[in-house]
Amino acid sequence: DQQVKQNSPSLSVQEGRISILNCDYTNSMFDYFLWYKKYPAEGPTFLISISSIKDKNEDGRFTVFLNKSAKHLSLHIVPSQPGDSAVYFCAASSNTGNQFYFGTGTSLTVIP
Amino acid sequence: NAGVTQTPKFRILKIGQSMTLQCTQDMNHNYMYWYRQDPGMGLKLIYYSVGAGITDKGEVPNGYNVSRSTTEDFPLRLELAAPSQTSVYFCASRGGEKLFFGSGTQLSVL
Repeated sequence: DQQVKQNSPSLSVQEGRISILNCDYTNSMFDYFLWYKKYPAEGPTFLISISSIKDKNEDGRFTVFLNKSAKHLSLHIVPSQPGDSAVYFCAASSNTGNQFYFGTGTSLTVIP
Repeated sequence: NAGVTQTPKFRILKIGQSMTLQCTQDMNHNYMYWYRQDPGMGLKLIYYSVGAGITDKGEVPNGYNVSRSTTEDFPLRLELAAPSQTSVYFCASRGGEKLFFGSGTQLSVL
């Protein structure tokens, strides 16, 4: 029962263009969402997060948008750089629980 | 500033062998987690702990055991290794609303 879904296993974009990574969730109790970035042979590292009281959070080139009614969030990377090539995981949690639920990941390739 | 440290980085086990994956953190976090990552399957929670002496099952606990005798350490035990346990294992600790991950242990059971 996958509560957090990333339906695109892979994405390729040209350097300098926008990358949009999508994530859907099913549990309406989730109220905190995170994006993690993972390089090969390394552990995931925190990228950006958003609380359910917001619909947008921005950090430099990275912006996360949350649409609670659609149970959908997206990560925008502008402009994309070759160093952004990695696997991106979406994760969700609720303030009533102790667990984080992860999506299956999207492998982003930024082409120079 | 080590963060979360996992050992070993790689291990090959024979079916039926046992081993312990070590995890230690130096951030004084109460919450710690063990995940496994299989290709195309994302991160699945095995066990977690909310503090020393307290552990609970996650989504995929079968075949594993944990203990939490100190705040710093959260080892994961495989008692009878099976091919289905071939995976990459990540330990994490929670600071606020973020998880901090170790670099992982790649385990193969043959």
